[in-house]
Amino acid sequence: AQKITQTQPGMFVQEKEAVTLDCTYDTSDQSYGLFWYKQPSSGEMIFLIYQGSYDEQNATEGRYSLNFQKARKSANLVISASQLGDSAMYFCAMRDQMDSNYQLIWGAGTKLIIKP
Amino acid sequence: GAGVSQTPSNKVTEKGKYVELRCDPISGHTALYWYRQSLGQGPEFLIYFQGTGAADDSGLPNDRFFAVRPEGSVSTLKIQRTERGDSAVYLCASSLKGTGKYEQYFGPGTRLTVT
Repeated sequence: AQKITQTQPGMFVQEKEAVTLDCTYDTSDQSYGLFWYKQPSSGEMIFLIYQGSYDEQNATEGRYSLNFQKARKSANLVISASQLGDSAMYFCAMRDQMDSNYQLIWGAGTKLIIKP
Repeated sequence: GAGVSQTPSNKVTEKGKYVELRCDPISGHTALYWYRQSLGQGPEFLIYFQGTGAADDSGLPNDRFFAVRPEGSVSTLKIQRTERGDSAVYLCASSLKGTGKYEQYFGPGTRLTVT
């Protein structure tokens, strides 16, 4: 069965350091996509970055990059030069059977706190 | 352009009452989702619309919950005979398409409290 695992319930990171948030997934499908979302305390879920299973390069969006290791079934989010505003919940999600499946499978999330 | 909007932002109601939660998706987005989120957890899928029709309502907890999207744009989630266990944040999301690589854009949510 499809599953997303985020093993870090919470993390404390010093401002300006890089941070890696772990995400492992389980699917038997070859065509799938991985999404990362940020949810600040205000509650709104914000899309950060997407990685397709057939993408040859790791996705990058500004300070966000995805360390995609297909054989290990991991899609870790890397935030470079962390800022206080990065403090939030971060969710990893997956869609498999990309041509027909509309649902996302969500992880439990990681609470990231950036320390000044 | 305008993002997904949801009204009201907060709703407090008494047990047994009826509530309606509204979602206004991004213009042109055919896919619309409703989720429920409890504190410290990921979103829980409730229902998915493709256009006007509910393509999948398998996540609705019971028959007290119902949602409509009559013109393929605005959607309303309706909860009858509310119970204290219905208290949660209800999130709406829209997407250009339901399948494929298209990300979902979320509204700010409606915090429902049943007393």
